[in-house]
Amino acid sequence: GAGVSQTPSNKVTEKGKYVELRCDPISGHTALYWYRQSLGQGPEFLIYFQGTGAADDSGLPNDRFFAVRPEGSVSTLKIQRTERGDSAVYLCASSAEGLEAFFGQGTRLTVV
Amino acid sequence: EDQVTQSPEALRLQEGESSSLNCSYTVSGLRGLFWYRQDPGKGPEFLFTLYSAGEEKEKERLKATLTKKESFLHITAPKPEDSATYLCAVQAGDYKLSFGAGTTVTVRA
Repeated sequence: GAGVSQTPSNKVTEKGKYVELRCDPISGHTALYWYRQSLGQGPEFLIYFQGTGAADDSGLPNDRFFAVRPEGSVSTLKIQRTERGDSAVYLCASSAEGLEAFFGQGTRLTVV
Repeated sequence: EDQVTQSPEALRLQEGESSSLNCSYTVSGLRGLFWYRQDPGKGPEFLFTLYSAGEEKEKERLKATLTKKESFLHITAPKPEDSATYLCAVQAGDYKLSFGAGTTVTVRA
């Protein structure tokens, strides 16, 4: 497709479980970002990839959160031992280096 | 640390009633200021990038302007379909975007 694709669109999981969220960026975009958005707030930065490497992971809240981008395209955000406070919309964005970022529709994560 | 403050939090307009949204920012080494539109349940949709003070961009009923401390998004003669949350973000040398909390605009017919 032409835009950023995120799967699943919705995910409900039990507290303590492990979840993976997937992002397919726009073809050819070298930069990929993950953000988290809570209700009524703006997106909050989590991690930024340039190619395969995490150029900036300073926004990851703790070591339960991890993200990979092994081939410089698709990225997976992994959350271990989920907590109710992890419930939010997780947004992925991609950009050609230095230019505007385009966002996917997000994955709504609910931890019960 | 980069900071972005948007005001007002919410804006209710009558169709055709022009208004402006404010985005105040502090950033070390601005690379760009971005405006996005977000509809409920959707991801942010890119509108504009502004790079330097004095720059202006327009798209349909929207016009964005930039100074060294703030940006304005002017909505001229809005229509109900302009109802959305408008997000402002700044990008510094580290490439990440720092967002404000947004302004939710409701336009009544």
